Amino acid sequence: EVQLVESGGGLVQPGGSLRLSCAASGFTFSSYNMNWVRQAPGKGLEWVSYISSSSSTIYNADSVKGRFTISRDNARNSLFLQMNSLRVEDTAVYYCAREGIVGATLADYWGQGTLVAVSS
Amino acid sequence: QSALTQPRSVSGSPGQSVTISCTGTSSDVGSYNFVSWYQQHPGRAPKLMIYDVIRRPSGVPDRFSGSKSGNTASLTISGLQAEDEADYYCCSYAGRYTYVFGTGTKVTVL
Repeated sequence: EVQLVESGGGLVQPGGSLRLSCAASGFTFSSYNMNWVRQAPGKGLEWVSYISSSSSTIYNADSVKGRFTISRDNARNSLFLQMNSLRVEDTAVYYCAREGIVGATLADYWGQGTLVAVSS
Repeated sequence: QSALTQPRSVSGSPGQSVTISCTGTSSDVGSYNFVSWYQQHPGRAPKLMIYDVIRRPSGVPDRFSGSKSGNTASLTISGLQAEDEADYYCCSYAGRYTYVFGTGTKVTVL
């Protein structure tokens, strides 16, 4: 069974940093591209960041460019999101998502999400 | 990128059909047959319902179907059931490893 479990969320002050983790199991993690998606309270979904299976290709949404860094450790079946210079508008539930193996489907499986709250 | 445009809400009685539109541009929906649809119940993670415009993952009821014409994709739910009441989001590949979501539609079963 495919499982994605996020951790690392919490309350942080504006300008602070946080590192999210996503533990993957039930599939060959190193074969899949991965994404982070977020959802602000009461709002819609927003794609945040993409990383290819080998980490050779990385892309970020304009809203987080220069502040967030996606990475992965295939030996540990883990995905990460380093978030720096956090802003109030970064407050959201952050989801780890496995991209479809063929074509370009952002997510065929999702984690349960971890809440990041940016507030003074 | 700008979010794809969806109606804020649609509703229907049990057994009826509802269709949700998702309008993008020639840079996203119009350029790629990589439109997916996600169902999200309150407090839950999204779930993939349709991918590649028309394909259904294993386990998704066949009352869910997708289509596309030009810059607009659509999700149709036929034979509406109470458990279909949820938020629905479209998503399109937008080139260069980027994605854009729709604004979301609340489906209400009357």
